[in-house]
Order: sequence, then C-alpha cells, then structure tokens
Amino acid sequence: ETGVTQSPTHLIKTRGQQVTLRCSSQSGHNTVSWYQQALGQGPQFIFQYYREEENGRGNFPPRFSGLQFPNYSSELNVNALELDDSALYLCASSLDGSRNQPQHFGDGTRLSIL
Amino acid sequence: KNQVEQSPQSLIILEGKNCTLQCNYTVSPFSNLRWYKQDTGRGPVSLTIMTFSENTKSNGRYTATLDADTKQSSLHITASQLSDSASYICVVRPGGSYIPTFGRGTSLIVHP
Repeated sequence: ETGVTQSPTHLIKTRGQQVTLRCSSQSGHNTVSWYQQALGQGPQFIFQYYREEENGRGNFPPRFSGLQFPNYSSELNVNALELDDSALYLCASSLDGSRNQPQHFGDGTRLSIL
Repeated sequence: KNQVEQSPQSLIILEGKNCTLQCNYTVSPFSNLRWYKQDTGRGPVSLTIMTFSENTKSNGRYTATLDADTKQSSLHITASQLSDSASYICVVRPGGSYIPTFGRGTSLIVHP
C-alpha cells in the first residue's frame, strides 16, 4: 500500500511568483485535504477535494486554488506569493469525505519565499 | 469562533517517565477529537480518535481521555521512550463541517 507522497520536498520562490505543489493520495482514497503549517504552529485547513469537487474551504484568499484529478491526485496552486506564505504545506488523503475517516498525511512541501 | 488550546507548549521529561498533555476546545457542535504525533520534518500521524460518547481510548502506551461536558481532552504517555520526542497535536472536527480545528501542539522532548 503506497502512502501519501508530495512533491517537491523543498522549494524556494520569490515574492510575486506562482507555485504548484503536488500530492498523490494513498491507494483507494478519494478525498484530499491541503493544510498550511507555519513554523511552531498547528496546521491550518486550506481546502478539501472529494471526487474532483471542492467540498470545504478554510479562511484562505482566492489566490490559493486547487485541483483534483480523476486518479484522485491533487495540486495546490498559489499565485502572487507573499512572504507569509512561507510554510510547510501538508496534503492528507482519506477513504471518503466522512468526518470519522482517518486522514493520512504526506511529509509535506517546505516552501520558502524570499 | 472554534478554538483548540493545548498545554503545556513544551515539555521535557526523562526516559521512562510518564506525562500528560492537555487539550481544551470551544468547537461546537462537536463531532470527534483526534490526537496526532508529528515527528520533526514529517507529516502528522493519527494516534487516537474519540467521538462524543467515548471517554477513553488507548493505543499502546498512549491513552486519550475526553470530557465532552467540560470540553477537555488529555493524552497520557506511559513509560516514555526517546522516540516519543515529537509534537503532539489535538484536532477537533465540528459536526456539520469538514473543516477541522488544529491546536498548536505540545512539543515533547524525552531525554535519556
């Protein structure tokens, strides 16, 4: 059973640029959630995708957007990068959109904005 | 506003000792509460999940308790090991929403 994998592991960008982060969900999982974790903080929910549709969004501006593909892998896109976007971005997959299903996290992408 | 507060912020203990981490929440309505372990540079891993009707759940040396009336949870670690050094995060999911609320975590360091 392949776990959640994220790429790249590290990334450095400058202010104003755009970035795409990728996530492959665990085999059999059709739900993917994205989180932003600033240093020393708990993860903050960005959005969730269930069967290619966004079905929940946290308090993040529209420049944070996402996509889920038919194979349930997912992308997180961030436009017009700001210094405060520097963080660990975590992807988690689960068996379905049920609230009691455990989420399996990847090891994240560390994004640094210069 | 839904909030999850964890204490202490950090904790240092000696190998073999027990410890208890606390989580208070104001999330309403309540669906479930999870404790996660996050090793440095890794993603969180679920330790336990509890719903409203459960007041204790164990996973090896980890035992979580839940008091839904006072909206408090604790995670007790027995006979700590060096590998227990990590951040422990409390997460509460509200009923009727897919948006979980994460605490900031307690950083635990176990010394030999």
